[in-house]
This record gives sequence, structure tokens and C-alpha cells, in this order.
Amino acid sequence: DTEVTQTPKHLVMGMTNKKSLKCEQHMGHRAMYWYKQKAKKPPELMFVYSYEKLSINESVPSRFSPECPNSSLLNLHLHALQPEDSALYLCASSHGTGTYNYGYTFGSGTRLTVV
Amino acid sequence: AQTVTQSQPEMSVQEAETVTLSCTYDTSESDYYLFWYKQPPSRQMILVIRQEAYKQQNATENRFSVNFQKAAKSFSLKISDSQLGDAAMYFCAYRSANSGTSGSRLTFGEGTQLTVNP
Repeated sequence: DTEVTQTPKHLVMGMTNKKSLKCEQHMGHRAMYWYKQKAKKPPELMFVYSYEKLSINESVPSRFSPECPNSSLLNLHLHALQPEDSALYLCASSHGTGTYNYGYTFGSGTRLTVV
Repeated sequence: AQTVTQSQPEMSVQEAETVTLSCTYDTSESDYYLFWYKQPPSRQMILVIRQEAYKQQNATENRFSVNFQKAAKSFSLKISDSQLGDAAMYFCAYRSANSGTSGSRLTFGEGTQLTVNP
């Protein structure tokens, strides 16, 4: 299995809703990432998990809450989002966060719309 | 901090022709990795090719090759025999080879939208 699987592919939520994005990989990768991407822009790093511990939080608002229950699974919990949070949310994984870490494997993303 | 610059927001090429996408970067580090990613309308970021900075030989993957000029901090992508399926947004990206959290970060350029004309 050489894929990163993200669910759901599309999500529409109201500003008072609570929802979660899910990301799964079975490649034995020990680093997992959340990126946010606006249309025609590069991805922006949000969070990095290394060996199931949060290693980077790019000053993301607390309405985004990441969770890494095990080495294969990464969640992003969403609560009280704003319309400007509408974007493509990409998950990625890699072997690790040190020198032995080439490119990432990306999922196909969750298209989030906040209404 | 590292920066990556792609100076061509849009490029077009005729099918079967060759096109070169430009990328420059700025870093004070000597050991790092460079990547080209492709993002078609399906949204998935696909790794096209990677280059280790310590390797002088330019990377090649089938129809894709790079021209890596370390001193000039330039990393261009050449696509030969362009195909309709090559149409996508192409991102150049940098990654430090240092261990620690700085090695976790991919720094992307702004992207080049490639159109392939039949």
C-alpha cells in the first residue's frame, strides 16, 4: 500500500458545527502532516507529527485541533470555523523528520466549505 | 529562512514538444533536497522528481529531468515529449536535510500552471 487516504473528499459545514477530517497511511511512515491549500496557491504547513507526537504547530488557530491516535492515523478536528477556513486540506506522510526523509506522499485532500 | 521562487505563473506547450519550468531558491544551508511536485485538477500532489544537493548529477525520471545548478541556486524542470496528461500546476519545493524539526518542512514556490495544447 503506497497511498495516503483522506476522508471525506468533500465537506460542507456550518460555522457552529463540529467535524473531523481523517487521514490514514500504511507505509510505515513515522511523520504525518496537515497542510491547508487555497485555490491556485501552494500548500501551507499547519501541523507536523513525528512518532505520534506533535512537533510543529504553525500558530494555527485553536479551532483546528490535530490528533494522532497511532502511527497510521491522523485526524483534524474542526470546530467553530470561519468562512475563510474554506480550502483544500491535504494530509501527507514521510519516513521521518530527520535526514532520512525525502519527499512526502500526499493524499488527495478534503475540500472543505464553511457556510 | 529558505525561500523558493517560481517566476512563471503560467506556461504552455504543444503536445510532443519540450518545456522548461524555472525555479530558484535561497538558502544558507549546504545539504538539502529539492523536489518538483505536480498537482492536476484531481488535487493530489504527485512527486515528479527529486534531487539531493550533494549529488552533482542531475536527476532524471523518464521524460522529466532537472538542471540543478547549486552555485546559482537554480533547479529547473524539463519535460520532454509533452503529453496532455502533463497539464497541471507544478510546484518546486525545498527541504532541509538537517535533522530536527527544520527537516520536516517543505517550502513551496508559488507554482507554475502548465497547459498542454493538442
